[in-house]
Amino acid sequence: NAGVTQTPKFQVLKTGQSMTLQCAQDMNHEYMSWYRQDPGMGLRLIHYSVGAGITDQGEVPNGYNVSRSTTEDFPLRLLSAAPSQTSVYFCASSYYGAGGGNSPLHFGNGTRLTVT
Amino acid sequence: GQQVMQIPQYQHVQEGEDFTTYCNSSTTLSNIQWYKQRPGGHPVFLIQLVKSGEVKKQKRLTFQFGEAKKNSSLHITATQTTDVGTYFCDGGYGGATNKLIFGTGTLLAVQP
Repeated sequence: NAGVTQTPKFQVLKTGQSMTLQCAQDMNHEYMSWYRQDPGMGLRLIHYSVGAGITDQGEVPNGYNVSRSTTEDFPLRLLSAAPSQTSVYFCASSYYGAGGGNSPLHFGNGTRLTVT
Repeated sequence: GQQVMQIPQYQHVQEGEDFTTYCNSSTTLSNIQWYKQRPGGHPVFLIQLVKSGEVKKQKRLTFQFGEAKKNSSLHITATQTTDVGTYFCDGGYGGATNKLIFGTGTLLAVQP
């Protein structure tokens, strides 16, 4: 199994450009999520999904869109990139237990995004 | 909203010394997970705690979940240089929102 695969690994954007960060998992996990990591800020939840067709906002959703058309894929779209979105982005997935129980997260290797 | 505070933010120890990091939630947790992130890497799952007062051990690492399920600790006995990295706790709140909120992490530096 490949686990959680994120592409690209590195990306440089100019202010105002849009792009999509890809995330795919092959573990049949229902729960998928996106985090951004900035120095001294830990991991902050952007958006998450508990299954295909279901998404919800996390702590810092502004400027980002997500969709979940399949169980395997959970792309993150930057609508109009800003320097404040310079960060490392991690996608993660886990089993989603009945009644809302959580299983441990499996993380991708991350995407390092720079917006100039 | 839910918040997870982690202390300290940074700890520098001599190899062989013990290390403890604490995780505190503003509301009751359904479970808590601990992760380790090596410099330049991604978080890797260490352990999950679910029961009130639960204690789990992994070699030199001891994890504890508070009785009220609002706090947790990770203790490393006799640190080694391989323990270097950032340790994160991740609180699961269950219910309808099912958000997983991470603490800010504790960066551990170990001097040989």
